[in-house]
Amino acid sequence: AQSVSQHNHHVILSEAASLELGCNYSYGGTVNLFWYVQYPGQHLQLLLKYFSGDPLVKGIKGFEAEFIKSKFSFNLRKPSVQWSDTAEYFCAVNAGGKLIFGQGTELSVKP
Amino acid sequence: GAGVSQSPRYKVTKRGQDVALRCDPISGHVSLYWYRQALGQGPEFLTYFNYEAQQDKSGLPNDRFSAERPEGSISTLTIQRTEQRDSAMYRCASSPRGQGAISSYNEQFFGPGTRLTVL
Repeated sequence: AQSVSQHNHHVILSEAASLELGCNYSYGGTVNLFWYVQYPGQHLQLLLKYFSGDPLVKGIKGFEAEFIKSKFSFNLRKPSVQWSDTAEYFCAVNAGGKLIFGQGTELSVKP
Repeated sequence: GAGVSQSPRYKVTKRGQDVALRCDPISGHVSLYWYRQALGQGPEFLTYFNYEAQQDKSGLPNDRFSAERPEGSISTLTIQRTEQRDSAMYRCASSPRGQGAISSYNEQFFGPGTRLTVL
């Protein structure tokens, strides 16, 4: 079955702490992976994407993610979070055109 | 340039009424997608179109839900005889090319969503 699992539902960090959000997927086809972010009151925006090539992809605002095929994982990382990173983060896999999303991780960054 | 727009942004309706939700994709985008997001969950696929052709409607929960894109641009998602369990955020997205094209063109751009509340 096609699915995406995000390990943490709610993460609370202080500013300057490092961030890693887990994402595991289950999909048998060609893997295209995404991280989307939804800031409070705004719509879903693409943070970064993986289609092929270098498994370490860099996105906007200092975020990066690493595709590890053997672990079916695509974890999101940021070395030092800011208060403005407070948002909900969604991992997704492209499954034949449609996106399958994880349940989301709410990140709260304390100033 | 203009992004994906959706209207209305908020819709409150009574159980049993029909509702129509509109999506205006980015100009020139071939593919248009509808998702539904319940509180505390990720978006869940409903259906998608390439141009005016509905390619996949496997995510529509039952026959009360239907969608169309008659001219290959604006799309309408219609829910007939609404029920309280239909309450959710309905999201629309568009992408430049359809599935099967160069993968990088499959990135989906989302609109602000329509928050539907069924009383």
